[in-house]
Amino acid sequence: DTAVSQTPKYLVTQMGNDKSIKCEQNLGHDTMYWYKQDSKKFLKIMFSYNNKELIINETVPNRFSPKSPDKAHLNLHINSLELGDSAVYFCASSQSSGRDEQFFGPGTRLTVL
Amino acid sequence: GNSVTQMEGPVTLSEEAFLTINCTYTATGYPSLFWYVQYPGEGLQLLLKATKADDKGSNKGFEATYRKETTSFHLEKGSVQVSDSAVYFCARKGSSNTGKLIFGQGTTLQVKP
Repeated sequence: DTAVSQTPKYLVTQMGNDKSIKCEQNLGHDTMYWYKQDSKKFLKIMFSYNNKELIINETVPNRFSPKSPDKAHLNLHINSLELGDSAVYFCASSQSSGRDEQFFGPGTRLTVL
Repeated sequence: GNSVTQMEGPVTLSEEAFLTINCTYTATGYPSLFWYVQYPGEGLQLLLKATKADDKGSNKGFEATYRKETTSFHLEKGSVQVSDSAVYFCARKGSSNTGKLIFGQGTTLQVKP
């Protein structure tokens, strides 16, 4: 009965590779988010989708491309991985974009070698 | 600019000690304010929130009061437990109605028996 789930939990890959992280929520929420947490624990929003429509696109390299096939899923594809992409990526969801509480997934730790 | 600033960690306390983690924000207007907690190896969980000035959020013995005069939202707990050891994030809602959260840098709390 996991609310927000992410796969994989750990991802180790070589520079230059392309990888995807998947996120699913079973809360019936309309809005989903991707956050990046760096090695110093600093969290920053990357993207947000509301009902499959992109509503937040922070200054993120265009190697990062989110995709929302339906409102329960928000995947993150990363092309040409770089060392600086190493981080923990968190998916989150909220009932709508105007609602306060966001529910976070367990995170995906990406290590680029 | 619009940001959230937390006290530097780590904070190390003995069990049953009093906890304060300072948080100040800058914003246009009076955004909703939050404290999230991240236990080791997990995603973030909402701990408490306040949506308007002078509101007090409380949960699990933690409290924080929205003070517009000092633009602060300090987290307090009267008697910490070892199980409170975690990273605590102060956050505020972004100015647009996109659900965006702006986080502080996080404060690590370690409680020793």
